[in-house]
Amino acid sequence: KQEVTQIPAALSVPEGENLVLNCSFTDSAIYNLQWFRQDPGKGLTSLLLIQSSQREQTSGRLNASLDKSSGRSTLYIAASQPGDSATYLCAVNPANTGKLIFGQGTTLQVKP
Amino acid sequence: EPEVTQTPSHQVTQMGQEVILRCVPISNHLYFYWYRQILGQKVEFLVSFYNNEISEKSEIFDDQFSVERPDGSNFTLKIRSTKLEDSAMYFCASMGEGGGTEAFFGQGTRLTVV
Repeated sequence: KQEVTQIPAALSVPEGENLVLNCSFTDSAIYNLQWFRQDPGKGLTSLLLIQSSQREQTSGRLNASLDKSSGRSTLYIAASQPGDSATYLCAVNPANTGKLIFGQGTTLQVKP
Repeated sequence: EPEVTQTPSHQVTQMGQEVILRCVPISNHLYFYWYRQILGQKVEFLVSFYNNEISEKSEIFDDQFSVERPDGSNFTLKIRSTKLEDSAMYFCASMGEGGGTEAFFGQGTRLTVV
């Protein structure tokens, strides 16, 4: 059974720092992996989608990498800003069905 | 930018009552999903829907739950005889042409069963 784990559960950094959020999954047979942002009490905003054949994806200050064989993905946030404060979720798509399996998230606080 | 829309944003219901949560997926999407998130827990898959039928459902999605696409735009989740433990945030999501494309989520409906 696929399990997704995110470390750390919470992270607090000063503004301007570069940071890395980690996501691991137990079964390397995935179709793709998606990173989301969730603000308190709100929905999920898609940040990046990485297909299983890709190693990384970039969008602005965000870079996500995927190492399928080791069951890991990282989300790199450059030059963090207070507006980046949110919970970041990773989700794996085990097959071409769209059913996503989520990690528990990393709650990020960026202090001014 | 196209978005998934959910209504209502918050619903309070008495235990044992039926509720219907509504979603309008992105217009050209073909794959539809419901997820839920109990406070402080992971987002959990409930059901996927394609070509007017359920394609997959989780153990959570028992006879208490049903989904429907009554017209070309709406996608609904019905919960019969609600229980206290049904209190959660319910998210609708849609995907485009394939189940392996990017998932777009709505803002959620917070269901509170009292």
